[in-house]
Amino acid sequence: QVQLVQSGAEVKEPGASVKVSCKASGYSFTSYYVHWVRQAPGQGLEWMGVINPSGTWTSYAQNLQGRVTMTRDTSTSTDYMELSSLRSEDTAMYYCARDISAAETSWWLDPWGQGTLVTVSS
Amino acid sequence: SSELTQDPAVSVALGQTVRITCQGDILRSYYATWFQQKPGQTPVLVIYSKNNRPSGIPDRFSGSSSGSTASLTITGAQAEDEADYYCYSRGNSGHHWVFGGGTKLTVL
Repeated sequence: QVQLVQSGAEVKEPGASVKVSCKASGYSFTSYYVHWVRQAPGQGLEWMGVINPSGTWTSYAQNLQGRVTMTRDTSTSTDYMELSSLRSEDTAMYYCARDISAAETSWWLDPWGQGTLVTVSS
Repeated sequence: SSELTQDPAVSVALGQTVRITCQGDILRSYYATWFQQKPGQTPVLVIYSKNNRPSGIPDRFSGSSSGSTASLTITGAQAEDEADYYCYSRGNSGHHWVFGGGTKLTVL
């Protein structure tokens, strides 16, 4: 079945970087965009960015520009999201999700990875 | 301010109908997608492409759109529908996507 499996929880100190992986299976990896979404404790969903099927184009949320990098390894069907200069406000659950679109008027995310908890604390 | 605006909280009596709305100018051009998220769980797709349900989503969930407002309607709300609901769409720039702030649904 179509599945996204993410790497395990991370604890990082302020100022450090974290790299989260998202391994896809059950579908043609190079045919779909993948988005990253995060959710701080008790807060709503926040779109972080997207990477295209070939890994040659990305788009990031304005508030994360310069700190986030999304890449993919097509040989292993794995996406990566790296966030640098971590601060306490980056403590959140991080999700990857496959993008599906229709007629350039509708986009949805399905499935989602199980989430990776990143805790930033000294 | 967010490009998609949702009421923070809505309540409904068990078995009654509830409408959760999502407002934004971008919805005049694009359809909203709706996700359900229960505490401690990953978001689940419930409505896409205006009014399509993935397999496994009960038919009491439906979507609609009018002007700059998209709506998620639950006809005959059940206790298990108590959750946070988020709308989602492409943003104004065309190269970013956005979520609404979420609506917490309480089933009384």
